[in-house]
Amino acid sequence: AQSVTQPDIHITVSEGASLELRCNYSYGATPYLFWYVQSPGQGLQLLLKYFSGDTLVQGIKGFEAEFKRSQSSFNLRKPSVHWSDAAEYFCAGGMIKAAGNKLTFGGGTRVLVKP
Amino acid sequence: DVKVTQSSRYLVKRTGEKVFLECVQDMDHENMFWYRQDPGLGLRLIYFSYDVKMKEKGDIPEGYSVSREKKERFSLILESASTNQTSMYLCASSLRAGPDTQYFGPGTRLTVL
Repeated sequence: AQSVTQPDIHITVSEGASLELRCNYSYGATPYLFWYVQSPGQGLQLLLKYFSGDTLVQGIKGFEAEFKRSQSSFNLRKPSVHWSDAAEYFCAGGMIKAAGNKLTFGGGTRVLVKP
Repeated sequence: DVKVTQSSRYLVKRTGEKVFLECVQDMDHENMFWYRQDPGLGLRLIYFSYDVKMKEKGDIPEGYSVSREKKERFSLILESASTNQTSMYLCASSLRAGPDTQYFGPGTRLTVL
């Protein structure tokens, strides 16, 4: 079955420190991959996406993600975290179908930022 | 900017009531989706629609139905609300067929008493 797994439910990081959020996928072929962020009381906002090509993807708010086929991973990173990065982060994946556009979401990782 | 709006941010209903959640997008997107979000479970797809009057079941359709009479509007219906349907409901839309960026509304937090 197709799945997306985020192994870490919570991560606490100090402001200014680096952040890495893990995402693993299980698909028959390389899926399309996404990272979304949900700030408190908000809907989800797209940070970045990977379809093909360069395996290092740059996104908004200073985030980047690296696709590693050998590890079935698409981890999200930020070199220096700001207090405003406290939020819940979701990884998602999907495959091309004849119709419809389903994405499968991971369980989410909640990031807490310490001053 | 794409705008996806949901009819209510907070809703409280009683067990057995019929509940309608409305979602409207303003960018002529083909695809629309309803998810529920529960702590630790991420987002789970309830139903989606890839064209007017077309719908497809997602991963957890039981207890829900949907309606898409116009391209911009996608409704989620709880025929007889139950307490285990207390959740955050998120609507999303996307432009194209195939995996594509989904744009989300702010969510409706539904409590069923």
